[in-house]
Amino acid sequence: AQSVTQPDIHITVSEGASLELRCNYSYGATPYLFWYVQSPGQGLQLLLKYFSGDTLVQGIKGFEAEFKRSQSSFNLRKPSVHWSDAAEYFCAVHTSGTYKYIFGTGTRLKVLA
Amino acid sequence: GAGVSQSPSNKVTEKGKDVELRCDPISGHTALYWYRQSLGQGLEFLIYFQGNSAPDKSGLPSDRFSAERTGGSVSTLTIQRTQQEDSAVYLCASSGGQGRGYEQYFGPGTRLTVT
Repeated sequence: AQSVTQPDIHITVSEGASLELRCNYSYGATPYLFWYVQSPGQGLQLLLKYFSGDTLVQGIKGFEAEFKRSQSSFNLRKPSVHWSDAAEYFCAVHTSGTYKYIFGTGTRLKVLA
Repeated sequence: GAGVSQSPSNKVTEKGKDVELRCDPISGHTALYWYRQSLGQGLEFLIYFQGNSAPDKSGLPSDRFSAERTGGSVSTLTIQRTQQEDSAVYLCASSGGQGRGYEQYFGPGTRLTVT
């Protein structure tokens, strides 16, 4: 069965530091991949998505993610974190042929001033 | 344009009572999803509707949970005889489907507290 793993439950970084959030998926074919962000008290907002083509995708708020087929990974990165990036981040997989999405359990990001 | 809306934003109910949660998706979106998010947990898929097809109910945790979507638009999630473990945030999302990139648009959620 398809699955998504976000191995880091909590991550703390200092403002201005770089960030990488890990996401691994289990699926036979190339899935559609997403990163969503959920700020406190808010709904989920799409940061970026990968369907095909260039394996490095750019998103909103200065985020990017790289699809690595050999590692079944889709890690989210940001070169310099801002205090407003403190939130929970979810990786999701959408398998072709259905409308079903599978979400990871999320990584909660704390940013130190 | 308007996004996905959900009502109520907060609901406190006594154990054993029934509750109805409403979702109004983005106009024209054919797919509608319900998820449950418990404290410290990820998103748990509950049910999805796609056009006129039979809904996928595989995520509903018990027969106390049901959902319907009227006229291909508004959806209602009903929880009968609520239990304390039903306390969670219930999220609704809609999607335009294959031709529009598959991404989901989420509502702000309904926080359900069962006392």
